[in-house]
Amino acid sequence: NAGVTQTPKFRILKIGQSMTLQCTQDMNHNYMYWYRQDPGMGLKLIYYSVGAGITDKGEVPNGYNVSRSTTEDFPLRLELAAPSQTSVYFCASSTRDSPQFFGPGTRLTVL
Amino acid sequence: RKEVEQDPGPFNVPEGATVAFNCTYSNSASQSFFWYRQDCRKEPKLLMSVYSSGNEDGRFTAQLNRASQYISLLIRDSKLSDSATYLCVVTFNKFYFGSGTKLNVKP
Repeated sequence: NAGVTQTPKFRILKIGQSMTLQCTQDMNHNYMYWYRQDPGMGLKLIYYSVGAGITDKGEVPNGYNVSRSTTEDFPLRLELAAPSQTSVYFCASSTRDSPQFFGPGTRLTVL
Repeated sequence: RKEVEQDPGPFNVPEGATVAFNCTYSNSASQSFFWYRQDCRKEPKLLMSVYSSGNEDGRFTAQLNRASQYISLLIRDSKLSDSATYLCVVTFNKFYFGSGTKLNVKP
């Protein structure tokens, strides 16, 4: 079991560029989540999904989009990157009652 | 009021010390409780679940006090490798993460 994997590990974007952060889990978890964490701060929920085809906004969804076409994959799309989106992005998965398990994160810098 | 609140610390303790963190939550109907550990620039990792009767895992003891709405984490015989940020998590239909308590264990 690889658990939750994320790619890329690091990325530098220019303002206005777009990119997709990939997240895959092999634990057959229905629930998946995207968080961002700014330096010295707590986790902020961007989007989450309770199953394939179902997504919902978290507390900071602006500037991001998600899709969930399979149980395993939950990509996060950044459109028109801005410096305020410089952060570490974590993907996580869980069942309805289990704790969340996190991927290793993607460190994104927007210049 | 935040759903979950933690003292951000840092807690600076010598090796071998016993240290305890508390985490308060606002919703009395909260369902599940967890402690996570996060090392600098790494992902949060599950340390332990917290059960109503309290539970222990080696040097770590977690307790739940539903009447006063807090959970606690006790670390005995602190090691340098325990230095990290400890996040408490409470669920009520969704997950609520605390902002974390930073622990520095000094030689």
